[in-house]
Amino acid sequence: AQSVAQPEDQVNVAEGNPLTVKCTYSVSGNPYLFWYVQYPNRGLQFLLKYITGDNLVKGSYGFEAEFNKSQTSFHLKKPSALVSDSALYFCAVKVGLYSGAGSYQLTFGKGTKLSVIP
Amino acid sequence: DAMVIQNPRYQVTQFGKPVTLSCSQTLNHNVMYWYQQKSSQAPKLLFHYYDKDFNNEADTPDNFQSRRPNTSFCFLDIRSPGLGDAAMYLCATSRGGQGKGNEQFFGPGTRLTVL
Repeated sequence: AQSVAQPEDQVNVAEGNPLTVKCTYSVSGNPYLFWYVQYPNRGLQFLLKYITGDNLVKGSYGFEAEFNKSQTSFHLKKPSALVSDSALYFCAVKVGLYSGAGSYQLTFGKGTKLSVIP
Repeated sequence: DAMVIQNPRYQVTQFGKPVTLSCSQTLNHNVMYWYQQKSSQAPKLLFHYYDKDFNNEADTPDNFQSRRPNTSFCFLDIRSPGLGDAAMYLCATSRGGQGKGNEQFFGPGTRLTVL
């Protein structure tokens, strides 16, 4: 079964410091990996994805993620955290329904709450 | 702006009283998904439509049904809500076809309260 794990329930970081939110994955075949952010009482917003190509993926709001095949990781990073980055972050892996239909399921990690302290 | 819209944002219903949540999209995406998200948990896929083809997850209770009358709209019907069905319900869309890396776009969600 394909899955992602987010080992930290909560990450605290001081404003202006670099942040890392960890994600590891377990898939058969090539992974399709995503990061989403969720603010309180809101839906999920897409941040970035890894499909193929460069291991360093750049996304929205200054976030980036590094795909590491040997460590099966896809950690989310930002060089300088903002208070407004405080939110719930989900890593997800695509479980393909390769029936030709092209639809797929996202399997989410349990989420990591990021708190940026002023 | 193209987007995914969910109405209402907050819904209160009584135990056992049927309720319908709605989702519409202006993205013209083939695929529409319904997720259930309980407090501080990951979203859980209930079912999805690829065009008119309905795909139910194996562990989705029969109490949950869905309708997609056209490309733009999708409804989630809860026939007899129980207290355990109180959650945030998220609608999402994606392009289908061969775009294997197509991300899903989420609506703002409907928070359901069951009294």
